[in-house]
Amino acid sequence: GAGVSQSPSNKVTEKGKDVELRCDPISGHTALYWYRQSLGQGLEFLIYFQGNSAPDKSGLPSDRFSAERTGGSVSTLTIQRTQQEDSAVYLCASSAGLALVSGELFFGEGSRLTVL
Amino acid sequence: QKEVEQNSGPLSVPEGAIASLNCTYSDRGSQSFFWYRQYSGKSPELIMFIYSNGDKEDGRFTAQLNKASQYVSLLIRDSQPSDSATYLCAVKISGTYKYIFGTGTRLKVLA
Repeated sequence: GAGVSQSPSNKVTEKGKDVELRCDPISGHTALYWYRQSLGQGLEFLIYFQGNSAPDKSGLPSDRFSAERTGGSVSTLTIQRTQQEDSAVYLCASSAGLALVSGELFFGEGSRLTVL
Repeated sequence: QKEVEQNSGPLSVPEGAIASLNCTYSDRGSQSFFWYRQYSGKSPELIMFIYSNGDKEDGRFTAQLNKASQYVSLLIRDSQPSDSATYLCAVKISGTYKYIFGTGTRLKVLA
């Protein structure tokens, strides 16, 4: 499809397990973002990738969280040793990233993570 | 101080009225400002963006930016029940590709 694709759409896991969430951005978009949205809350910035630059990891809440982007396209967000407070919807977005001033974010449908 | 602040609401307005949504931000160097609409259980979608001081109109929506006061607002004229959603203000942090979102204002348009 032409939009941002995320998988899985739903993930239920047990506390202490590792999870991987995948994002496939819009083709040609150089910028990719991960946000977390807890129930009834706004979007919490986690990390972004822009082209070949080093990612901005300033929003990752702990060292249990990591993300990579392979070949400038698909990204994986990994959460190790999940905790119940990690339960949230994880949203991925991409942007053409053509200039520092401008840029609509296109969001995927999200991955809902539930940690039991 | 949060980087982007919004009143969480809910803001209730009758059908046909003007809804006014407000947002303040802390990064004085920010140049790009966005309003996203998020329906319950759905992902955010862009409503409007604004870069210059003043007003920008698009149909029933008007975005207003005052950089001196670090304030951006969204007006929705002739509000409809279908406008009921959470409205998220986003600010692109100066010199980066990083977007920071407010917590959103929940709008209810009463039929």
